[in-house]
Amino acid sequence: SQQGEEDPQALSIQEGENATMNCSYKTSINNLQWYRQNSGRGLVHLILIRSNEREKHSGRLRVTLDTSKKSSSLLITASRAADTASYFCANHYGNNRLAFGKGNQVVVIP
Amino acid sequence: EADIYQTPRYLVIGTGKKITLECSQTMGHDKMYWYQQDPGMELHLIHYSYGVNSTEKGDLSSESTVSRIRTEHFPLTLESARPSHTSQYLCASSDQKTSGSSDTQYFGPGTRLTVL
Repeated sequence: SQQGEEDPQALSIQEGENATMNCSYKTSINNLQWYRQNSGRGLVHLILIRSNEREKHSGRLRVTLDTSKKSSSLLITASRAADTASYFCANHYGNNRLAFGKGNQVVVIP
Repeated sequence: EADIYQTPRYLVIGTGKKITLECSQTMGHDKMYWYQQDPGMELHLIHYSYGVNSTEKGDLSSESTVSRIRTEHFPLTLESARPSHTSQYLCASSDQKTSGSSDTQYFGPGTRLTVL
């Protein structure tokens, strides 16, 4: 299956804490992206990590990639209430297609 | 915010009706995609297009059809809606020329379809 699996699927944290979520695939990982989806909205691209990279930072986001374990993690530091959303990983396959994981729901309590 | 639009945002319709979900983007992107997403679940690719007059079936079988007559427009049609079509439909686009192999996709806000 091209579909990814995130773990954990639901996370509730206090504002200011860090949130970590993982994603793994049964197939090989190519360029991997993370997206955020606010309730009832479309997805917004957060960060891309290429298959030859191990770690990448963007603002309060830190992404790691372990191609040997076919897994990636997304860390959000110093969380804010506005970070409440669902987070999806997406693996590139075929010709410009993305296979999305099931998503992590993160709730940040003010 | 991405310049990609979907209408309607919400649609409640009876079984057997023909519907068209509209998707337009003003970014000049060659590639466009339709995904189906049930609440709390992952996105499933149902159709995609690499350019004008190009359409392909996605990974999830769908009774819907699409057309790509203009670069900016990628409508999805259901000839006869059924309750099993109830879902959220998300449209996206990407520009291979500028993104190279990164394939960043820009999403519209989605259409939430309910078929009674």
